[in-house]
Amino acid sequence: IVMTQSPATLSVSPGERATLACRASQSVSSDLAWYQQKPGQAPRLLIYGASTRATGVPARFSGSGSGTEFTLTISSLQSEDFAVYYCQQYNDWPPYTFGQGTKVEIK
Amino acid sequence: QVQLQESGPGLVKPSQTLSLTCTVSGASLQGGGYYWSWIRQPPGMGLEWIGYIYFTGKTYYNPSLESRLTMSVDMSKNEFSLKLRSATAADTAVYYCVKDRSSVEIGHFDIWGRGTLVTVSS
Repeated sequence: IVMTQSPATLSVSPGERATLACRASQSVSSDLAWYQQKPGQAPRLLIYGASTRATGVPARFSGSGSGTEFTLTISSLQSEDFAVYYCQQYNDWPPYTFGQGTKVEIK
Repeated sequence: QVQLQESGPGLVKPSQTLSLTCTVSGASLQGGGYYWSWIRQPPGMGLEWIGYIYFTGKTYYNPSLESRLTMSVDMSKNEFSLKLRSATAADTAVYYCVKDRSSVEIGHFDIWGRGTLVTVSS
């Protein structure tokens, strides 16, 4: 399954809303996770099951969608949220597959 | 809490075998029924799932790597390992060992090692 994320780069001002998209080449039901990766760090699980926040993830992060279209929304960007975000499907494996990432940068 | 630590050579010559070990602390590989994975990330690029191992030794591999890949588990040391044969420059990446969040709903990863950069070069 090919995962396609858009846009590649998103320029957002602190305090604004960010909306990231992820599309699957075929249905993955709700078996979709989102990760955040900061430079020099390992990815961090944010969302699983398309919309369930992982332990300790702030409420400003929310996920939605099912089937082939998914969205990660960050309601009010904080300075620590500028990072690269990856979606990943775990419905049809092996292999599990990731999107190519969306970089959220400061506008 | 569960922690993962990758170890192994940072430089591998082309055609040789890339070997890495992940040491698990704060949990038993056998306990909880979790799957344990390797994921890699070439410099400046995205993430690629390499394969899974279960404490029983059962493995699942990425088909794109399966012909060169062997994963194993050492319960006595609470470690699992990866061997990737016939390495090429395309195998240059940061390699992460990771743990599934759930033993029931598998396939997404909540605990990651810090990663180790392996460069394939002569």
